[in-house]
Amino acid sequence: DIQMTQTPSTLSASVGDRVTITCRASQSISSWLAWYQQKPGKAPKLLIYKASSLESGVPSRFSGSGSGTEFTLTISSLQPDDFATYYCQQYNTNSLITFGPGTKVDIK
Amino acid sequence: EVQLVESGGGLVQPGGSLRLSCAASGFTFSRYWMSWVRQAPGKGLEWVANIKKDGSEKYYVDSVKGRFTISRDNAKNSLYLQMNSLRAEDTAVYYCAIIMGGDYWGQGTRVTVSS
Repeated sequence: DIQMTQTPSTLSASVGDRVTITCRASQSISSWLAWYQQKPGKAPKLLIYKASSLESGVPSRFSGSGSGTEFTLTISSLQPDDFATYYCQQYNTNSLITFGPGTKVDIK
Repeated sequence: EVQLVESGGGLVQPGGSLRLSCAASGFTFSRYWMSWVRQAPGKGLEWVANIKKDGSEKYYVDSVKGRFTISRDNAKNSLYLQMNSLRAEDTAVYYCAIIMGGDYWGQGTRVTVSS
C-alpha cells in the first residue's frame, strides 16, 4: 500500500505569509495527487487535483507542484479564510486511496 | 444541485452492526465511482471503501476488510455501507463522497462504538 507523509504537521503563519506544505508518497504516484482543505465541522474541499490543476472556483493564490513522490502545496499570500487543515491524497489507482495525515495552518 | 445525504449512524456496542445509507440527488448517480471516507474524533481523513459505477468492483482499506461491505443501488440513487463486528476504533464521522472525477461530500453521519 502507498503511504503518505506531510510536513509540517502544524504551521503557524500570519496573514500575507507565503506558506508551503510538503507531501511525500512511499512510491511513485506520477501526478495522481490532490490537495484538500478542511475547516472544523465541515466536509473537505478539493483545491488541487492531478498535482497542479486548480479546481474551479479555488483562488489562484493556491498552487500545487511535484510529481513522482514529492509534492508541494503553496499558498502565495495567506488570507484569514485559509486557516484550516490541509490534506494530500493519492489516487494512483481507483482501487486504493490514501490521505496524508494533515497539516494544520493556524494563526501565529 | 448535487446532494449526498447520509443516514444510519448512531451508538452501537463493540461487535455490533450498523448500515449506513447515502441518498444521492442532482446528478447521474450511475456515472460515478462512490466512496466512503471517515474521520475519527480529532483525527485525519481515512478513505474506507470505493465502489465502481456499476457495482462490479469494490475496494477497502485493510482495517475494514472482511467486516465492512460497500454496495449501491443505481435504481434508487443510493450508496450503502454495511458495518459488522464494529470496534471502538471505527468510531468516526462517515462521509459519503465522490472523490474520483468530482468533489462532492455529504454532511457526514456519526458512528460511535462504545459499551
